[in-house]
Amino acid sequence: DAKTTQPTSMDCAEGRAANLPCNHSTISGNEYVYWYRQIHSQGPQYIIHGLKNNETNEMASLIITEDRKSSTLILPHATLRDTAVYYCIVRGAGSDMRFGAGTRLTVKP
Amino acid sequence: DTGVSQNPRHKITKRGQNVTFRCDPISEHNRLYWYRQTLGQGPEFLTYFQNEAQLEKSRLLSDRFSAERPKGSFSTLEIQRTEQGDSAMYLCASSKYRDEETQYFGPGTRLLVL
Repeated sequence: DAKTTQPTSMDCAEGRAANLPCNHSTISGNEYVYWYRQIHSQGPQYIIHGLKNNETNEMASLIITEDRKSSTLILPHATLRDTAVYYCIVRGAGSDMRFGAGTRLTVKP
Repeated sequence: DTGVSQNPRHKITKRGQNVTFRCDPISEHNRLYWYRQTLGQGPEFLTYFQNEAQLEKSRLLSDRFSAERPKGSFSTLEIQRTEQGDSAMYLCASSKYRDEETQYFGPGTRLLVL
């Protein structure tokens, strides 16, 4: 079973920030938080990952709480092309990726 | 394109036939993973290789499923005696092994068993 809990679906207005939450209360000290997204009929696309510190790249920002029990993926200016299923995954070194059902984000004009 | 490639992209077969899918990982990635994804679900891990060694295969769905990576480069996933329940998207991912390895996925092969 996936070690994370995400809302089933979320809506966001185009141009606004999309904030996708993820709970991972049983995360271990050596486990990373990964985010992927999957646009319909395509393979999952890597977005970002982190261990303890907040991370930012050209796609998104990842905010991890101090106790590491939850995190938020932030898409700063959502576009229609960001409509996808977003997966939050907790994974330790050498272990496999366990995907849950993810959050279906719909960006609306 | 230097990403993960998978062939074929689509496969339609009749029940009882054997099918084989190919995955070409990103160059110099030493780990290769296979996943299955059914409609409305997230990808489900099947097996993985480090170079040519298959390090985990207990999650393969049945003994009808097998995978190889003979030279540590491309990999094949074979399903023998296909069943209608095998209809799914089969995804391949590759990574360069380290503590925080990131897996990069291919576009998948969509299998339909009639």
